Amino acid sequence: SQQGEEDPQALSIQEGENATMNCSYKTSINNLQWYRQNSGRGLVHLILIRSNEREKHSGRLRVTLDTSKKSSSLLITASRAADTASYFCAVIQGAQKLVFGQGTRLTINP
Amino acid sequence: DTEVTQTPKHLVMGMTNKKSLKCEQHMGHRAMYWYKQKAKKPPELMFVYSYEKLSINESVPSRFSPECPNSSLLNLHLHALQPEDSALYLCASSQDSGRTDTQYFGPGTRLTVL
Repeated sequence: SQQGEEDPQALSIQEGENATMNCSYKTSINNLQWYRQNSGRGLVHLILIRSNEREKHSGRLRVTLDTSKKSSSLLITASRAADTASYFCAVIQGAQKLVFGQGTRLTINP
Repeated sequence: DTEVTQTPKHLVMGMTNKKSLKCEQHMGHRAMYWYKQKAKKPPELMFVYSYEKLSINESVPSRFSPECPNSSLLNLHLHALQPEDSALYLCASSQDSGRTDTQYFGPGTRLTVL
């Protein structure tokens, strides 16, 4: 079963605005990861947040993790057209299986 | 070099054909993965190789046959596929197959089965 569920499924904003995506998961985790996928291409790892961390930053990205609510959010600040992509959260299930959420399709309008 | 390469980029095959997808990495990673991704869906794990041995098979039909000839190469042999197997096939690698490892993905092979 899918561990990560994301909302919204699709998000369209103007360039320069901030974009927030949310992810929920079902079981206990060691870490949660976020990936970006440009249209029909491979995935790019963005950030990993460990279960004992509450917030992590990387450039214009900010990720939060609330293990009590089994949820995470990804904030992209000052969005750019190049941020247009699908964003997936992912958690490890068992020892090796990376399970992705359904993803959020983000469109940045110029 | 943090690149995972996949060939071919596109593949069209009939249901009676035999073809292979190839994946290569030169990052010294010891875990390699095959994923299948349908349109507007997340990637789904198919196989995991750890230290050149198959460690996970997610109940994938036998018409998909993985092979890991060495630590840098991963193949996916295809035979007698069905139209519903049309998808983007992604290869990934990681340092190991541990819980904290980042996976590096290739650009994928877009497969169409006629």
